[in-house]
Amino acid sequence: DSGVTQTPKHLITATGQRVTLRCSPRSGDLSVYWYQQSLDQGLQFLIQYYNGEERAKGNILERFSAQQFPDLHSELNLSSLELGDSALYFCASSVSGGKGETQYFGPGTRLLVL
Amino acid sequence: DQQVKQNSPSLSVQEGRISILNCDYTNSMFDYFLWYKKYPAEGPTFLISISSIKDKNEDGRFTVFLNKSAKHLSLHIVPSQPGDSAVYFCAASAQYGGSQGNLIFGKGTKLSVKP
Repeated sequence: DSGVTQTPKHLITATGQRVTLRCSPRSGDLSVYWYQQSLDQGLQFLIQYYNGEERAKGNILERFSAQQFPDLHSELNLSSLELGDSALYFCASSVSGGKGETQYFGPGTRLLVL
Repeated sequence: DQQVKQNSPSLSVQEGRISILNCDYTNSMFDYFLWYKKYPAEGPTFLISISSIKDKNEDGRFTVFLNKSAKHLSLHIVPSQPGDSAVYFCAASAQYGGSQGNLIFGKGTKLSVKP
């Protein structure tokens, strides 16, 4: 158990819909990362937050957004869902988001868009 | 453009023998590399890392080798055990764009260790 929790574990929805994925980092970690793993793909970095502020953006679509709240949990919002958004979404956390820090991953949310 | 490449999607090894997983990268700005292990239905778990100022790092049965001139790293598992069967991801730390923390992952290599 990494100490990072993600809810829900599974999510099935229809195209055009909007969903919210939730992540609670390890106790004491200030930085949260979101990654997407599609079929046959490695993990693609989406976005990083540190202590409530966005720190870095990766391959995140404009239809996706995220935020980190004062209690440090984070939410990833996916809207106008398309079939291609079906993937595993992982959240990770680290102490301060600096280079060389180990990132601890949650178990992931499996999203299926029908 | 894939900056971190794991060209072998799968590898099968006999229990007790050495497993060697390879990873190549293209970005010379990467200076920190990590290996993660992933079991089905779980998130990736950190295994071992190496800074670019080193060429080897060892932790028990796991050793990572870095060849900067070839932009290549490898993970050696000796001896391999059936419980090592998992998908192994190579990752590199990006320094550019103001971010120092996000990781660039390869597509993974599925290791099967047969008893």
